[in-house]
Amino acid sequence: GQSLEQPSEVTAVEGAIVQINCTYQTSGFYGLSWYQQHDGGAPTFLSYNALDGLEETGRFSSFLSRSDSYGYLLLQELQMKDSASYFCAVRDQNNDMRFGAGTRLTVKP
Amino acid sequence: EAGVTQSPTHLIKTRGQQATLRCSPISGHTSVYWYQQALGLGLQFLLWYDEGEERNRGNFPPRFSGRQFPNYSSELNVNALELEDSALYLCASSLRLARMSTGELFFGEGSRLTVL
Repeated sequence: GQSLEQPSEVTAVEGAIVQINCTYQTSGFYGLSWYQQHDGGAPTFLSYNALDGLEETGRFSSFLSRSDSYGYLLLQELQMKDSASYFCAVRDQNNDMRFGAGTRLTVKP
Repeated sequence: EAGVTQSPTHLIKTRGQQATLRCSPISGHTSVYWYQQALGLGLQFLLWYDEGEERNRGNFPPRFSGRQFPNYSSELNVNALELEDSALYLCASSLRLARMSTGELFFGEGSRLTVL
């Protein structure tokens, strides 16, 4: 079966760096995505990793290690508006998109 | 260009009733995914439709069903409603996923179903 594990909550201060980890178990893995969801809003796509390594998009970076079934989302220069829930999602060989339970990030002044 | 639209925004039903939720994907998108998000929880995969066919379903009872129409819009039906069906139901659309595509899903704002 499929499973994704990520921490339920993370707290950090403005300007800091935070890393949200995700470990997964799936068959026929294609890639790992990250989504951001603000309270009351729709999830929005942040990044996608199909190959090992780091992908950087502005203040956000995402890393994947296929051999370890592990990835992380790195948020730098945290801002108050980054307070949201972050979900990792696995795309498998059937093109299913399964999401983790989400990590609630709270950024404090 | 219009994003994914869902209706109704809010829906209140009583136990045992039936609910129908609707989703219009982004123009050109053929895949529609449905997810259930209970309060404070993650996204639980319900159903995936592509090109008018149900491609996969999550671990939900058969009273959760749906369909995709020729214009790629989709409908989610929940029969014999139970209290625990109260949740935000999110629809997402995407292009038909090729092997090396990002698989980006575009989500609607959701339909909040309350079962009393």
